[in-house]
Amino acid sequence: GEEVAQTPKHLVRGEGQKAKLYCAPIKGHSYVFWYQQVLKNEFKFLISFQNENVFDETGMPKERFSAKCLPNSPCSLEIQATKLEDSAVYFCASTSARWEETQYFGPGTRLLVL
Amino acid sequence: DAKTTQPPSMDCAEGRAANLPCNHSTISGNEYVYWYRQIHSQGPQYIIHGLKNNETNEMASLIITEDRKSSTLILPHATLRDTAVYYCIVRVGGGGADGLTFGKGTHLIIQP
Repeated sequence: GEEVAQTPKHLVRGEGQKAKLYCAPIKGHSYVFWYQQVLKNEFKFLISFQNENVFDETGMPKERFSAKCLPNSPCSLEIQATKLEDSAVYFCASTSARWEETQYFGPGTRLLVL
Repeated sequence: DAKTTQPPSMDCAEGRAANLPCNHSTISGNEYVYWYRQIHSQGPQYIIHGLKNNETNEMASLIITEDRKSSTLILPHATLRDTAVYYCIVRVGGGGADGLTFGKGTHLIIQP
């Protein structure tokens, strides 16, 4: 598609439950990024993929968070045993190549952990 | 990536030019200045980027000082729809596959 698609728009989980978020990058884009925005302004880069390979995972929490980009499937970000502090908006972005200067962002998934 | 400093908020009258400053005094020679904005709670949107020359596109102009330690994003005729948080980001050129480091940004409010 011409836009980055993210599902679901909203997700509510009880503490300790699993949360799984999905991202379909723009067709033809090789790189996918996940960001976490806690409160209104604080963005944090989590992980990036080049096709199905992890490109940079320096921002990914060591525990409970995992992500995948498999061929012919949306990318996913999974949080095992969610905690209250995982409440945030999770944005996915994609770009076509290393030399592409623009990242195109999806509308985000708002995760609320109760 | 070099650190950036932006005012937390600014007001501008509708129809006037909005000038958003950004300081990046530790910028390196191979680092570009990028601007993104986030309207309400939507995903960030790319606006413009530059290395050392001034740049203009259909959305905005970017003025970078000669020493490259600061820059100004100019929205020439601001509309209410330009109300957003504007992020100035410094990153290495050609690093399109690198994660972006967002600061706190400037909340620009366009007043009718």
